[in-house]
Amino acid sequence: IAGITQAPTSQILAAGRRMTLRCTQDMRHNAMYWYRQDLGLGLRLIHYSNTAGTTGKGEVPDGYSVSRANTDDFPLTLASAVPSQTSVYFCASSSGYGTDTQYFGPGTRLTVL
Amino acid sequence: QKEVEQDPGPLSVPEGAIVSLNCTYSNSAFQYFMWYRQYSRKGPELLMYTYSSGNKEDGRFTAQVDKSSKYISLFIRDSQPSDSATYLCAMDYSGAGSYQLTFGKGTKLSVIP
Repeated sequence: IAGITQAPTSQILAAGRRMTLRCTQDMRHNAMYWYRQDLGLGLRLIHYSNTAGTTGKGEVPDGYSVSRANTDDFPLTLASAVPSQTSVYFCASSSGYGTDTQYFGPGTRLTVL
Repeated sequence: QKEVEQDPGPLSVPEGAIVSLNCTYSNSAFQYFMWYRQYSRKGPELLMYTYSSGNKEDGRFTAQVDKSSKYISLFIRDSQPSDSATYLCAMDYSGAGSYQLTFGKGTKLSVIP
């Protein structure tokens, strides 16, 4: 059981370029999330999806977009990357029912120059 | 005032020591309380999950919630070098759908052999 996979593991990107971070889960979880983690700021929610076909904005959504075409995949797109988007990005999922807990992927380290 | 406050440390203790990690929060609507452990360059993993006030024990780990004081703690007994990680507290408004999880910024713990 892989759980949550993220790709790429790391990436260096020129400012202004478009980038899609991939996230796939094999737990058939309904809910998925994207966070960024920055030193001194902790984990901050970017976007979430409670179920396939629906998405919502988190604490820091500007400059990011997501889609949820199916249960397993939840890609995060930076349309035009800026240096302030340099961060570690974590995808997470949860069942969406009852006493829920979130399971995290290994992260993507993104550097925007 | 942030909803969840957590001392970032770093905290350095000798092997075998008892470790106390703490978070305070301001929103009395939080009902579910979690502790995540994050090793360097890895995603957070769920360590403990408690509902409402009281204690919960799992091996060397004890989670404590005091809702009257809006204060939660994680105790680690007989700490080991393998416990060296960043510990994040997290809180949820309700058990149904964790997209409302609010994280502390994390406390970095080092256990010295």
